[in-house]
Amino acid sequence: GAGVSQTPSNKVTEKGKYVELRCDPISGHTALYWYRQSLGQGPEFLIYFQGTGAADDSGLPNDRFFAVRPEGSVSTLKIQRTERGDSAVYLCASSLTGTPTDTQYFGPGTRLTVL
Amino acid sequence: AQSVTQLGSHVSVSEGALVLLRCNYSSSVPPYLFWYVQYPNQGLQLLLKYTSAATLVKGINGFEAEFKKSETSFHLTKPSAHMSDAAEYFCAVSEGGGADGLTFGKGTHLIIQP
Repeated sequence: GAGVSQTPSNKVTEKGKYVELRCDPISGHTALYWYRQSLGQGPEFLIYFQGTGAADDSGLPNDRFFAVRPEGSVSTLKIQRTERGDSAVYLCASSLTGTPTDTQYFGPGTRLTVL
Repeated sequence: AQSVTQLGSHVSVSEGALVLLRCNYSSSVPPYLFWYVQYPNQGLQLLLKYTSAATLVKGINGFEAEFKKSETSFHLTKPSAHMSDAAEYFCAVSEGGGADGLTFGKGTHLIIQP
């Protein structure tokens, strides 16, 4: 079956611009996660959705970052007034139920470059 | 707060030799532990996970890991390295109970020498 997909695969933008990153989870998975991976680092947790609601957004670095999942499937990560420090690979993952032992399946990521 | 330390950002082994990638964790509650692999230009793929059942966990591609509570470790091993094992390996911990995301280590780049 289809895995987690993310679009675009690459995004280049200028400092101060607004960007949207999209994630399509595995069909039927209720839990969705966003992570950010900077060069030479492991993924860093940003936000977790259970269904349509953001159950844990404690990893969002500041109020320029926002994410939605209006119908409990596709999610969009939105970054306002981008900064060069936002450059990273943004990863999306989904799991069937969202329990801590559930396997998270990762997408290929969106590489964001802020010039 | 939970954390993961992976000793050695780069590990080099000869083809056919033992692979040992180290992972130590810090957690205030019994943790759930994961090893993920990231091949070049591919997404993270689960190798194996410990979920409080058997302490020796077997995963895909001949890898296994042993949970040692007394040492707070979850080292990844494979008896005989193959060229196709060259990749980035990440250890991760989940506590549950409201800590919903995984906390990852910085990763270990495994190099296989012919």
